[in-house]
Amino acid sequence: AQKVTQAQTEISVVEKEDVTLDCVYETRDTTYYLFWYKQPPSGELVFLIRRNSFDEQNEISGRYSWNFQKSTSSFNFTITASQVVDSAVYFCALSDPNTGFQKLVFGTGTRLLVSP
Amino acid sequence: DTEVTQTPKHLVMGMTNKKSLKCEQHMGHRAMYWYKQKAKKPPELMFVYSYEKLSINESVPSRFSPECPNSSLLNLHLHALQPEDSALYLCASSLGTESSYEQYFGPGTRLTVT
Repeated sequence: AQKVTQAQTEISVVEKEDVTLDCVYETRDTTYYLFWYKQPPSGELVFLIRRNSFDEQNEISGRYSWNFQKSTSSFNFTITASQVVDSAVYFCALSDPNTGFQKLVFGTGTRLLVSP
Repeated sequence: DTEVTQTPKHLVMGMTNKKSLKCEQHMGHRAMYWYKQKAKKPPELMFVYSYEKLSINESVPSRFSPECPNSSLLNLHLHALQPEDSALYLCASSLGTESSYEQYFGPGTRLTVT
């Protein structure tokens, strides 16, 4: 069975600190996709990144970066120089390719609080 | 434009009421989804529509009735709900149903059942 674990329930940082959100996944599939979503207090989930299992290159987008390591089944997310607007719940998710449709297996989420 | 819209934003209904939630996207996506999210929990998948046909019903009680009138619209009809059905209901869409496609979510409808 597929599973995503986000062990950090809540993280509090002060603005401009760097912060890493951990994501560990379990799957028996060789082809799979990983996602990160951000859910601000307004409610909607905002898509941040998709990564397929064959591409282990790290990715950087502005202050955001992602470290995908198949050897440790991890897909961690780092925010550099955090800002108050980064305060949100962040979900890591794994797509299940065996269901015939796009079913996301979500982690329990990490709540990030960035204070001024 | 990666926007999914949902109406209403908030809804309070009694257990005997009938109401509907609406979702709309104009991205040409062929898959649409309904999720239920309780406080401090991740979203739970309820229904998946692919090319306007119901593909997946995740064992959702019949008091929730989805409808896809066309490729841009998705409704969720509510009838005889229970207080435990109070939650944030999220709509999402994706280009297709393959596992590689990311989903785009709407802002949700906060439902309170009294």
